[in-house]
Amino acid sequence: DSGVTQTPKHLITATGQRVTLRCSPRSGDLSVYWYQQSLDQGLQFLIQYYNGEERAKGNILERFSAQQFPDLHSELNLSSLELGDSALYFCASSVGSGREETQYFGPGTRLLVL
Amino acid sequence: GDSVTQMEGPVTLSEEAFLTINCTYTATGYPSLFWYVQYPGEGLQLLLKATKADDKGSNKGFEATYRKETTSFHLEKGSVQVSDSAVYFCALSDPLMDSSYKLIFGSGTRLLVRP
Repeated sequence: DSGVTQTPKHLITATGQRVTLRCSPRSGDLSVYWYQQSLDQGLQFLIQYYNGEERAKGNILERFSAQQFPDLHSELNLSSLELGDSALYFCASSVGSGREETQYFGPGTRLLVL
Repeated sequence: GDSVTQMEGPVTLSEEAFLTINCTYTATGYPSLFWYVQYPGEGLQLLLKATKADDKGSNKGFEATYRKETTSFHLEKGSVQVSDSAVYFCALSDPLMDSSYKLIFGSGTRLLVRP
């Protein structure tokens, strides 16, 4: 158990819908990263938050957005869903953002868009 | 941009065989290097890491050495077990361009160990 929790574990929805994925980092971790794992794109970085502020953006679609709240949990919002958004979404957390630090991954949310 | 290339799988070995999974990288700066493992139906777990040239990361019998001259970080284990069957990901973090320690992953290598 990494100490990072993600809800829900599974999500099935229809095209055009909007969903919210939730991540609770390990106690004391300030950084949250979101990654997408799909068969065709592999594991890709989406976005990072550090202590409530956006730190870096990767290949995140404009239909997707995220935020980190004062209690440090984070949410990833996916809207106008398409079939190709079906994937496993991971969040990871670390204490800060440094060379020696380890990112700890949650179990992921599996999203299926029908 | 930065990238990681690892050998295609699946790799199928008999128990107690020697394992090598090749990983090479391209980076703008001076990256940290990682191996993560994903067991079926689970998230990613850090297996080992190295943050500077010639460092050797090791854990659970797995080893990898940061080779700056060959831009490589190959994963090795002397004697694999059935329980090592999983997908292994090589990754780097390189904050030079955007100050982020985000991970850039290779495509993953599936290992299957037969009894």
